[in-house]
Amino acid sequence: GDSVTQMEGPVTLSEEAFLTINCTYTATGYPSLFWYVQYPGEGLQLLLKATKADDKGSNKGFEATYRKETTSFHLEKGSVQVSDSAVYFCALEGYSTLTFGKGTMLLVSP
Amino acid sequence: EAGVAQSPRYKIIEKRQSVAFWCNPISGHATLYWYQQILGQGPKLLIQFQNNGVVDDSQLPKDRFSAERLKGVDSTLKIQPAKLEDSAVYLCASSFGQAFDSRRELFFGEGSRLTVL
Repeated sequence: GDSVTQMEGPVTLSEEAFLTINCTYTATGYPSLFWYVQYPGEGLQLLLKATKADDKGSNKGFEATYRKETTSFHLEKGSVQVSDSAVYFCALEGYSTLTFGKGTMLLVSP
Repeated sequence: EAGVAQSPRYKIIEKRQSVAFWCNPISGHATLYWYQQILGQGPKLLIQFQNNGVVDDSQLPKDRFSAERLKGVDSTLKIQPAKLEDSAVYLCASSFGQAFDSRRELFFGEGSRLTVL
């Protein structure tokens, strides 16, 4: 079945550092890929998405590229801020449902 | 625009008791989802409704969990009797579109945290 594997956290960075959170997936066919973010005390919200190979999703300075050859969708940001501290979930859309990874907590210190 | 509303936010019960969670989706969203998020894991889909019909309930433990969506608007998820392993956050989400629809962005509520003692 479909599955998503994310790097374990927490990821601890200083402000303005470069961020990478790795995500790989297993799926049949060509799923759409997503990153969701969950800020403390809030619900999950869509951060970015990509629907086909080589697509790049971007939002709020975050980027991720759909790499079919490596079945990956790594999340990157060039300069993180304290306000980026949250839990990040990679997800894929199979036939009709979203399958999520376990989430990666990001902690950014001033 | 009002978001997805869920209640209660927190619930503590003893095992073998029953509990119900309520969700009101964003107005106009035909698709409604219930997810279970156990601590340290990603959300897992329990049930998906399209209007008031069930699209997918393959991962719903039907011996103890039930869900309904009256009139295709708000929804209730019930657990009876609860087990210790049901301790989790129950997330409700809604979307305007269906699978492979570009409008299918899921909007999540803040969740209902259940603790079973």
